[in-house]
Amino acid sequence: NAGVTQTPKFRVLKTGQSMTLLCAQDMNHEYMYWYRQDPGMGLRLIHYSVGEGTTAKGEVPDGYNVSRLKKQNFLLGLESAAPSQTSVYFCASSYGSLKPQHFGDGTRLSIL
Amino acid sequence: RKEVEQDPGPFNVPEGATVAFNCTYSNSASQSFFWYRQDCRKEPKLLMSVYSSGNEDGRFTAQLNRASQYISLLIRDSKLSDSATYLCVVNYGQNFVFGPGTRLSVLP
Repeated sequence: NAGVTQTPKFRVLKTGQSMTLLCAQDMNHEYMYWYRQDPGMGLRLIHYSVGEGTTAKGEVPDGYNVSRLKKQNFLLGLESAAPSQTSVYFCASSYGSLKPQHFGDGTRLSIL
Repeated sequence: RKEVEQDPGPFNVPEGATVAFNCTYSNSASQSFFWYRQDCRKEPKLLMSVYSSGNEDGRFTAQLNRASQYISLLIRDSKLSDSATYLCVVNYGQNFVFGPGTRLSVLP
């Protein structure tokens, strides 16, 4: 069982470059989430989606955009990367907010 | 008040010890509660859901006190493999809020 798959696993960018992180889940979950985790800190919600075609802002949405064109995929975009966006990014999915989330194994992103 | 707060830790305990973690939340409308564990540089993994009546899974016991808005996790007979950061998670409407985590080190 693949569960939640994130690509890429690692990436180094230069300031100002753009990139897209892909999250794919095969559990038919309605809800999907993008988090970032910085050293010594908890997970902070960037954006989330409660179904195909829907997205909503989380706690720290600035500098990021998302799309949920297909139920199984949730894309996180950085239009113009900044060093402050250096972090580990986790994607998660769930059947709903009353059900537990399942996480991908993360994308480690460094911006120079 | 932060939305979800946890014991600051770290907790350093010997093998075989019993250890308890506490978590408080600010939204009285929250309905779902979970404990996750996170190993260094890994993704969070679900440890257990927390039910109103309390629940147990092997050496792990979770309790919920809605009136006081706190949840707890008790680990009995600690193993070296229990060393990790334990995250308290609470739903707020359609999404979840994670506590900052409590780090546990079980020492031989």
